[in-house]
Amino acid sequence: QSVLTQPPSASGTPGQRVTISCSGSSSNIGSNTVNWYQQLPGTAPKLLIYSNNQRPSGVPDRFSGSKSGTSASLAISGLQSEDEADYYCAAWDDSLNAFYVFGTGTKVTVL
Amino acid sequence: EVQLVESGGGLVQPGRSLRLSCAASGFTFDDYAMHWVRQAPGKGLEWVSGISWNSGSIGYADSVKGRFTISRDNAKNSLYLQMNSLRAEDTALYYCAKGMGGQLVHYFDYWGQGTLVTVSS
Repeated sequence: QSVLTQPPSASGTPGQRVTISCSGSSSNIGSNTVNWYQQLPGTAPKLLIYSNNQRPSGVPDRFSGSKSGTSASLAISGLQSEDEADYYCAAWDDSLNAFYVFGTGTKVTVL
Repeated sequence: EVQLVESGGGLVQPGRSLRLSCAASGFTFDDYAMHWVRQAPGKGLEWVSGISWNSGSIGYADSVKGRFTISRDNAKNSLYLQMNSLRAEDTALYYCAKGMGGQLVHYFDYWGQGTLVTVSS
């Protein structure tokens, strides 16, 4: 059961900017850094953003992350067709019965 | 090049056991924590279990605690997941993932392609 809430879907036309929200609590986003993973259709997840706003080598700078309080967001600027994928936020949770928690996932569609 | 190759999945009856393996290469295995993450068909990601570099810290999701056991063999660059008392709701694609650091509390920078576990009579 996910404890991080994301919108189920988002969409945009090529070149547009799309933003995905991720809502958590004081025990996860509020006290730990947020990571984002991209899962292209039929493939394994891939690390997209770590430590709230850092991009691994090879990830285009069209992708950016931010965090404020118990929420985080992922922005995709200059949307491209190859960005059509599922996106998951994630964070460590300091509560008694939880460790690493993923968001509910957002399907991004390029119109 | 980092490679993580899972194996051991298959069709198993409810209540039976299965052992997954993950063979790692391309990095110094015993420097990093390792994790199992699963994805039920058409569903989202769920962290299952993680183990620190020296097996000193281990964690499990509530949904598998008491039934699954994670372990590693640093000499063989391998990660394992022993799954007992399997249930239909354990049906999923199981991914092996590499942690960024030696302890559990890091993000996952590399993932395998997954091995499918189907629990059904």
